[in-house]
Parts: sequence; structure tokens; C-alpha cells
Amino acid sequence: DAKTTQPTSMDCAEGRAANLPCNHSTISGNEYVYWYRQIHSQGPQYIIHGLKNNETNEMASLIITEDRKSSTLILPHATLRDTAVYYCIVRVEGNTPLVFGKGTRLSVIA
Amino acid sequence: KAGVTQTPRYLIKTRGQQVTLSCSPISGHRSVSWYQQTPGQGLQFLFEYFSETQRNKGNFPGRFSGRQFSNSRSEMNVSTLELGDSALYLCASSLVTGGSRATDTQYFGPGTRLTVL
Repeated sequence: DAKTTQPTSMDCAEGRAANLPCNHSTISGNEYVYWYRQIHSQGPQYIIHGLKNNETNEMASLIITEDRKSSTLILPHATLRDTAVYYCIVRVEGNTPLVFGKGTRLSVIA
Repeated sequence: KAGVTQTPRYLIKTRGQQVTLSCSPISGHRSVSWYQQTPGQGLQFLFEYFSETQRNKGNFPGRFSGRQFSNSRSEMNVSTLELGDSALYLCASSLVTGGSRATDTQYFGPGTRLTVL
């Protein structure tokens, strides 16, 4: 079973920041937080991951709380192309399988 | 650098037949994982291959099998197809050098859509 809890759906206005929350209250010290997204019927796309520090790349920022029990994925300027299902995954270090939950369906609205 | 490629992209089979799906990982990636996605069960892990050996296996019946070749390309096979095997089959590759956590990130291909009639 997935070890994360995410809202089922969210809306975001185009051009605004999209903040997607994830709860992982049972996360262990050697578990990373990964984010993927899946645009309709395509393969999941890797976005970002982190252990305890905040991370940023060209796609998004990942903010992890100090107690590591929750995190937020931030898409700074959402576009219509960011409409997708976003998955937050807690994963032990190493090449362990990804356990997907139901994710958050983000709709970016013009 | 080319991404993960999967062939064929679409496939229609009938119950009882068998099917073989192919996955070519990103150049230099040595691990290949397979996932099944259905509307009812979501994305589920099938198995993972590294250095031609199955390292991890999900909770699927023995009808689902796979293999990896010396060039890291992988195939998965489903025998005696059932209607419930209709799904999007996804392949993901990762680098796995052991030197950095970033090398274990899995990158997915576009998937093979299998329909069983």
C-alpha cells in the first residue's frame, strides 16, 4: 500500500503557482520523497525527489517539513500542459520499486 | 539522449494467447522495471531486472515473466491471456551505479497498451 496521502483533485489558474500537498507521516529516516506526474495515458514523468532538504530543479520545487511528515510540490507558474495526475511516493534508498497511490489530479484552468 | 522506448505501442490479443512486450532502456541504464496500470488497480510493480537477473518481483501470477539481455534490453511475457490483463504496461529504467542517490531515479517509457478480447 502507498505510504502517502494526497488530495484527490485540485484546480489551479494558469500562470499561478500550483502547490500540491502530500502527507507521509510514517516516513522512515532512509526514505526519500519522490514526485512523478502522468499526463493522460502517457508514461509517468519524473519531477523531483528529496530526503530532508528542499530541492529545486527546472520543473518544480519540493518543500519538505522539518519533521519530514509532509511535503509540498510547487509548480511556480502552472500552464495548461501541467494538467496531469501527480504522484507523491515514499521510497527506500536504492533501486526499490515505486509504490503508486491514487495521486492528485491537477487541472490547470485558463 | 534517447528516452526509454517500448514496442509495440498498441496490441490486441484474444484470451488464451500469449504476448511479448519489449523495452529498450536509456543508454547506460542497467536496471529495467515493469509496471502494470489498470483503471481498477492503478499502477502496480511487476518485476525488476538488473544484470540479466530478476532482483525484485511484485505480486503477480506466474503467467507474467520477463528477462533481460546483456545489452540491458528487456522483454516481458504474459501467457494464457485473460480479459483482466488488458492494461497499460510500463517499463522504467535506472542507472544504478551505487554512487549517488540520483542514479536510482526511474525513468518511464510511453507504455504498451494491451487489449485482450
